[in-house]
Amino acid sequence: GEDVEQSLFLSVREGDSSVINCTYTDSSSTYLYWYKQEPGAGLQLLTYIFSNMDMKQDQRLTVLLNKKDKHLSLRIADTQTGDSAIYFCAEIMNTGFQKLVFGTGTRLLVSP
Amino acid sequence: DAMVIQNPRYQVTQFGKPVTLSCSQTLNHNVMYWYQQKSSQAPKLLFHYYDKDFNNEADTPDNFQSRRPNTSFCFLDIRSPGLGDAAMYLCATSRVSQPQHFGDGTRLSIL
Repeated sequence: GEDVEQSLFLSVREGDSSVINCTYTDSSSTYLYWYKQEPGAGLQLLTYIFSNMDMKQDQRLTVLLNKKDKHLSLRIADTQTGDSAIYFCAEIMNTGFQKLVFGTGTRLLVSP
Repeated sequence: DAMVIQNPRYQVTQFGKPVTLSCSQTLNHNVMYWYQQKSSQAPKLLFHYYDKDFNNEADTPDNFQSRRPNTSFCFLDIRSPGLGDAAMYLCATSRVSQPQHFGDGTRLSIL
């Protein structure tokens, strides 16, 4: 199937690390993405990882990829209240046109 | 600088009255997409244009149409909006096999 799964909700305190998890379906996906959506806004591309990589770090963001388990995670270090948003992982489905399939989204709430 | 621009940000229309949503881009990307998103659910792809080639998703209702008069602009036409069409509509652009860049969306309400 095309279900990309995420936990629905994560609550952390400001300054802590946040880890958002994602399980995807297509083992042949070439790229996996993380998007952030603030209330009433569009999706902002945060980072992405190529499938031949295990890890990618970009400032406060660390992406880990476990291809064997088809598991992707996003770690946000020193989480700030401005990080409160919905986070979507997404994979490229290699079926004809490379369609982007989104996860169910994780709502991150950061409290002061 | 906004690179994918959607107008208007909020649109209210009456049940059954045709409505058009607009998207423009300054990125010169050859692929443009329209998504529907309801209540913080995952965005659902309606269709995309690869240059001038239109590609409809199998489950997109016939009520939804699209036009792409040139590289920069793409329109979403809803011929007879029903209450179930109230949603956020997101436009995105990309080069082939490259990340998609999204606009801020148009929130459509149906009276």
